[in-house]
Amino acid sequence: EAGVAQSPRYKIIEKRQSVAFWCNPISGHATLYWYQQILGQGPKLLIQFQNNGVVDDSQLPKDRFSAERLKGVDSTLKIQPAKLEDSAVYLCASSPQGQVGSPLHFGNGTRLTVT
Amino acid sequence: GESVGLHLPTLSVQEGDNSIINCAYSNSASDYFIWYKQESGKGPQFIIDIRSNMDKRQGQRVTVLLNKTVKHLSLQIAATQPGDSAVYFCAEKDPGDYKLSFGAGTTVTVRA
Repeated sequence: EAGVAQSPRYKIIEKRQSVAFWCNPISGHATLYWYQQILGQGPKLLIQFQNNGVVDDSQLPKDRFSAERLKGVDSTLKIQPAKLEDSAVYLCASSPQGQVGSPLHFGNGTRLTVT
Repeated sequence: GESVGLHLPTLSVQEGDNSIINCAYSNSASDYFIWYKQESGKGPQFIIDIRSNMDKRQGQRVTVLLNKTVKHLSLQIAATQPGDSAVYFCAEKDPGDYKLSFGAGTTVTVRA
């Protein structure tokens, strides 16, 4: 099966600019996640969708980050305005719905550098 | 999860030897655990998982051990190969939802 697709692979922007990342999950996976991975650390959950509804966005800095999952398939994550500390890899993951004990499948991420 | 005491941020292993990577998790109610491998420039890749009603599970060249009494998880890699060089993360799943919390990671370097 095709894996989780993310684009772009790399993005360099200046602080205060805006940026958007795109994710296409594995076909049929109802649950979609965005994780932030700062260099040298484990991934940290930003937001979790179940179909097109938000399940958990408690760790999302809502003053500058937003995410949507239209039609319950693809998702976009936006940062506006970006700060230097947003430099990280943004990982998208998906998993089947309702399967406790099913691992998350990750994309290769988008590496964001804010200068 | 977080690491306390047993977690080593780096591990150097001779090719052909067995590797043991340790992880201490934080939530005693967690019901599902996963080990991921992350190579440079790639996303985390699933290695093996285990549910809380088990204490051992074996895969191909890998074994995961779960000790719920001390909230400890370990990954054993048999006959370590150069391709096993990567960062390894343990993750615990919050019961009742599908959120994964990741540990700090262990960088494994295989010496030829």
